[in-house]
Amino acid sequence: GAVVSQHPSRVICKSGTSVKIECRSLDFQATTMFWYRQFPKQSLMLMATSNEGSKATYEQGVEKDKFLINHASLTLSTLTVTSAHPEDSSFYICSANPLRHMNTEAFFGQGTRLTVV
Amino acid sequence: QKEVEQDPGPLSVPEGAIVSLNCTYSNSAFQYFMWYRQYSRKGPELLMYTYSSGNKEDGRFTAQVDKSSKYISLFIRDSQPSDSATYLCAMRGNAGGTSYGKLTFGQGTILTVHP
Repeated sequence: GAVVSQHPSRVICKSGTSVKIECRSLDFQATTMFWYRQFPKQSLMLMATSNEGSKATYEQGVEKDKFLINHASLTLSTLTVTSAHPEDSSFYICSANPLRHMNTEAFFGQGTRLTVV
Repeated sequence: QKEVEQDPGPLSVPEGAIVSLNCTYSNSAFQYFMWYRQYSRKGPELLMYTYSSGNKEDGRFTAQVDKSSKYISLFIRDSQPSDSATYLCAMRGNAGGTSYGKLTFGQGTILTVHP
């Protein structure tokens, strides 16, 4: 099956610093990738849709200046949490649908656990 | 009211039991229905994927969709301790619409299968 790789799997950073998370589709191309956030024992909440070659689309309530998304190629999207604060600590997960299968399931990365101290 | 409702459990069953997990939804635009399994601190893993109403079986797993009732189910037969995880239902509309690719998840049900 299709593989989505996310890096790093875990990161601890100091309050006020920025953290970049990478999401790569390893064996397929994706014009669109999705970034989710998951708090402990809660479901995944869509943060934004990452579009290759254009601006990301953010869900209501998500600060676009705080969560910078760049989709530089058909296999890579990055999420940068800028000026991170302890309340940004969460599990961030990306997903992607293969280009050739527009109506099929999404494949998820392994997730990144961010802890801001 | 949430678009997708799922009983968070937790659900604890003995090994070998049949497990029934359910979700209800309110958005009639949802047409693709998925069940994901998520182990602790890992990304969701796709278990079942169905389109429209009906049943789909894959090994010990059976997914059911009843669009008229806006109700989906996942059955696990002969449950094993390795099935212990959080099960998330997810759904979305057609790729051509604004809901393309955006999954709406249920809260997830924590399942424990004890030996």
